[in-house]
Amino acid sequence: GAVVSQHPSWVICKSGTSVKIECRSLDFQATTMFWYRQFPKQSLMLMATSNEGSKATYEQGVEKDKFLINHASLTLSTLTVTSAHPEDSSFYICSGRDRGTDTQYFGPGTRLTVL
Amino acid sequence: AQTVTQSQPEMSVQEAETVTLSCTYDTSESDYYLFWYKQPPSRQMILVIRQEAYKQQNATENRFSVNFQKAAKSFSLKISDSQLGDAAMYFCAYRSALYPYKYIFGTGTRLKVLA
Repeated sequence: GAVVSQHPSWVICKSGTSVKIECRSLDFQATTMFWYRQFPKQSLMLMATSNEGSKATYEQGVEKDKFLINHASLTLSTLTVTSAHPEDSSFYICSGRDRGTDTQYFGPGTRLTVL
Repeated sequence: AQTVTQSQPEMSVQEAETVTLSCTYDTSESDYYLFWYKQPPSRQMILVIRQEAYKQQNATENRFSVNFQKAAKSFSLKISDSQLGDAAMYFCAYRSALYPYKYIFGTGTRLKVLA
């Protein structure tokens, strides 16, 4: 079945550095991809929606200059957390929509820890 | 704007018994989808069941079934013959039938299964 992978699964970085998270759709083309953030014991909060070849649409309150999203191909989207700070520590989940089946598949998530 | 409410932060059920998780939502749209997702400790989001709003028949998937009351905007999940592996966070989610197909998640219900 369709799968979405994320890399890395866990990353630790120093405050002030930038971190890139990759999200890949396997066995299907994800015309639309979504990025979520999940704090411990909380729900998923949508950060942004991206379409292949277009600029991402960010949710209210999400800093687009801090969370750079690129959706360069139908199978790859990346989230770059720029100048990361400890408050950016969270669990980041991506998902991809398979237009053919109108089904959204979630990646396994990436745990970001900023020291 | 659409909202999803899960009023039960935590539920417990005895193994082999039946439990019902509640979810209400608010929307002005007539066409949409509702989902229940399971998030085990691995944090991988797993689709449990999906309901199309235009379908009057309640969706079922093996031991999982829903009670979809469109007029009341209610979407509860019933788990029959509960198993230890059902223990997880359960999220109710709403998705518009229109682009950009964003998901709106409820706050989640933690289900504990007692042996």
